[in-house]
Amino acid sequence: EAQVTQNPRYLITVTGKKLTVTCSQNMNHEYMSWYRQDPGLGLRQIYYSMNVEVTDKGDVPEGYKVSRKEKRNFPLILESPSPNQTSLYFCASSLWIRAGGYTFGSGTRLTVV
Amino acid sequence: SQELEQSPQSLIVQEGKNLTINCTSSKTLYGLYWYKQKYGEGLIFLMMLQKGGEEKSHEKITAKLDEKKQQSSLHITASQPSHAGIYLCGAVLTGTASKLTFGTGTRLQVTL
Repeated sequence: EAQVTQNPRYLITVTGKKLTVTCSQNMNHEYMSWYRQDPGLGLRQIYYSMNVEVTDKGDVPEGYKVSRKEKRNFPLILESPSPNQTSLYFCASSLWIRAGGYTFGSGTRLTVV
Repeated sequence: SQELEQSPQSLIVQEGKNLTINCTSSKTLYGLYWYKQKYGEGLIFLMMLQKGGEEKSHEKITAKLDEKKQQSSLHITASQPSHAGIYLCGAVLTGTASKLTFGTGTRLQVTL
């Protein structure tokens, strides 16, 4: 089944403890992106990648890192999480940016205390 | 202000009634996408509209794109409880070709 898989679905962590949210797609998509969703603010792009080894900042990149060493994987790294990073995170992929609709993962609900 | 404005923000309709959700862009758009989200879950792709005047339907959901007005509408006919959720429009906008910009969503409740 064609899908984007995110892990974990839920995560509670403490301020400053490094964490990684994994994202993997099995559709051979070139474009991948991370969004966060917050009440009243909607979906905001954190980082995106047009292809392997090509990543760039979105609208709200501060406090996040990403890497794209393989086409299928696009992990989101929080080196030192803070409470303002408590949010619902989505990974998405697409054949290329204007090819059609994104396929979204199921989301990761992160709470930083 | 939001580059993509959705209206209404929330909607409660009785089962069987029709409804319309609007999405208006402040910039030229290159493709308009509609998604549905169940609370706290991932987004499900519904439809993509790319040309002015284009209209697409899937089951009881119809979406139209008015390119001149930079606006799209999503119409649900004879709503059912399964239509409940959050509907989001997304678009590739002028000057932001690297992403889909999303509206803040319309929360739909369908009562029995």
